[in-house]
Amino acid sequence: AQSVSQHNHHVILSEAASLELGCNYSYGGTVNLFWYVQYPGQHLQLLLKYFSGDPLVKGIKGFEAEFIKSKFSFNLRKPSVQWSDTAEYFCAVNARVTGGGNKLTFGTGTQLKVEL
Amino acid sequence: DGGITQSPKYLFRKEGQNVTLSCEQNLNHDAMYWYRQDPGQGLRLIYYSQIVNDFQKGDIAEGYSVSREKKESFPLTVTSAQKNPTAFYLCASSIRPPADTQYFGPGTRLTVL
Repeated sequence: AQSVSQHNHHVILSEAASLELGCNYSYGGTVNLFWYVQYPGQHLQLLLKYFSGDPLVKGIKGFEAEFIKSKFSFNLRKPSVQWSDTAEYFCAVNARVTGGGNKLTFGTGTQLKVEL
Repeated sequence: DGGITQSPKYLFRKEGQNVTLSCEQNLNHDAMYWYRQDPGQGLRLIYYSQIVNDFQKGDIAEGYSVSREKKESFPLTVTSAQKNPTAFYLCASSIRPPADTQYFGPGTRLTVL
């Protein structure tokens, strides 16, 4: 069964620090990759996605992620975080499953706290 | 204003009672999904529906039931058979079945007393 691993469960950074959140998945076929963000008290929203093409994708609010197929990774980055980036971040992988159809599998999430 | 609405935002029920969570979308999306979110466990798929009058079990369907009589609506019933129903429930939809981007509603926090 496919799985998604987010290695950092809690991250605390100071404003202006650089951010990198790890995401690895276990599936060898074609995948679609997503990062979602959940700000406090708000609903889950799409940060960025990769379907095909340039493996470096840019999302909203200055976030970017790089798909490295050989490493089964899709790490999220931001050069300089802001206090307003405090949120929970989820990596998700969509892949074809046995029996047909696709399934979206989420990682367990990373809680980011940015301190002033 | 297009989007996904879930009601109510907070729901309290006594143990042993069935409860139905509402999910409505006006995005004209074919596919709809229900997830359960627990701290430290991410989102887990309960049920999904790719088209009206059709739905499939997800990873944790036991103790839950759904219906899809209209394209816009995908209600979830948490039955008394669900052993640990207290959780945050999220509804999502996508234009096509699961390969496409999913968009999420604001969620319903269910507490069973």
